[in-house]
Amino acid sequence: ELKVEQNPLFLSMQEGKNYTIYCNYSTTSDRLYWYRQDPGKSLESLFVLLSNGAVKQEGRLMASLDTKARLSTLHITAAVHDLSATYFCAVENSGGSNYKLTFGKGTLLTVNP
Amino acid sequence: SAVISQKPSRDICQRGTSLTIQCQVDSQVTMMFWYRQQPGQSLTLIATANQGSEATYESGFVIDKFPISRPNLTFSTLTVSNMSPEDSSIYLCSVTGTGVYEQYFGPGTRLTVT
Repeated sequence: ELKVEQNPLFLSMQEGKNYTIYCNYSTTSDRLYWYRQDPGKSLESLFVLLSNGAVKQEGRLMASLDTKARLSTLHITAAVHDLSATYFCAVENSGGSNYKLTFGKGTLLTVNP
Repeated sequence: SAVISQKPSRDICQRGTSLTIQCQVDSQVTMMFWYRQQPGQSLTLIATANQGSEATYESGFVIDKFPISRPNLTFSTLTVSNMSPEDSSIYLCSVTGTGVYEQYFGPGTRLTVT
């Protein structure tokens, strides 16, 4: 059974600081997704990482994937208040192209002025 | 990207009743899924909605409790049957296409069972 662990679950940052969210998963998978969820809203797709060594960047967020270590990171650079949200990683279950996702518990990020 | 709508957006229901949630996509998609997000929790996959055949349920979810229909490539429904307060959650549909490797989520249906 695929298990996905995120840490930290809660992150309080000051504006301008850098931090990293970690996502570990238990079985082989080549596709990993990062989503953002604002309170009361649905999920917004941030990144899809499709292969080992994949790195994607959008604004102050950068995601990477190491399939051998079964680890993805979401790095936040010079945080701003608008980044406050819950961030989920999700791993596609292996065993064919079934597209089923197993989600981590999410990281609640609060960026303080 | 696909535009997904869900109806209703929220509802308050009494214990023992059923609610049917609709998911409509603006384009044909290969895969449709239903997820549940309990209060303050992450998302859990309920089932894959298969077009023209019975849905494929994940462990812990059964058809009698969560019957699903998918009559075509743009529409699906999820019914939450014989509701109890434990069913209070946000229910989200998601879609993807073959080889697309993007999954898009609908706005969700916030269900409260009293």
